[in-house]
Amino acid sequence: AQSVTQLGSHVSVSEGALVLLRCNYSSSVPPYLFWYVQYPNQGLQLLLKYTSAATLVKGINGFEAEFKKSETSFHLTKPSAHMSDAAEYFCAVSTNFGNEKLTFGTGTRLTIIP
Amino acid sequence: DSGVTQTPKHLITATGQRVTLRCSPRSGDLSVYWYQQSLDQGLQFLIQYYNGEERAKGNILERFSAQQFPDLHSELNLSSLELGDSALYFCASSATSGRFPGELFFGEGSRLTVL
Repeated sequence: AQSVTQLGSHVSVSEGALVLLRCNYSSSVPPYLFWYVQYPNQGLQLLLKYTSAATLVKGINGFEAEFKKSETSFHLTKPSAHMSDAAEYFCAVSTNFGNEKLTFGTGTRLTIIP
Repeated sequence: DSGVTQTPKHLITATGQRVTLRCSPRSGDLSVYWYQQSLDQGLQFLIQYYNGEERAKGNILERFSAQQFPDLHSELNLSSLELGDSALYFCASSATSGRFPGELFFGEGSRLTVL
């Protein structure tokens, strides 16, 4: 069975600072990895995904993530935080090609300090 | 707007009661997923339907059941409700094309409060 672990349930960064949200995965087969974002009172929205092509994946709103097999990691970064980035971020893993059942991490709440 | 519609948005009921949550997937999507989000359990996968048939089952209680109808909308039935069932229930859909693994489109959720 696959799983993801998100390190840090709450992360605070200053506006304009680097955003780094950590995700480590566990999977016995090559994984597909995803980051979803949940804004207050909304559903989840796909931010970016890794599906075994390029290891550096660019997503929406200036976010990117790098798949590192040796570290079993898929950390999410953004060079400069914006107030509108305040949300909850979920890392997720899937391994069944064609069956999009996702296993989510526990989430990281990102707070932006003005 | 993800294109996935869930009703009702909010529901308050008493213990022991039964409720039905409804989901309309994005146009053309054949798969529907149900997730439960609570503070203590996080996002838990409940069940998936594909074109009317159950495809995968997760941590769904026996008191809960779901189905997907010929028009592809889905309903999640929760019965003998307990306080611990209070949560946000999300429906998601996907095209299951195989070319876009894992891209789920989520509705805004149905918030269930059991008193």
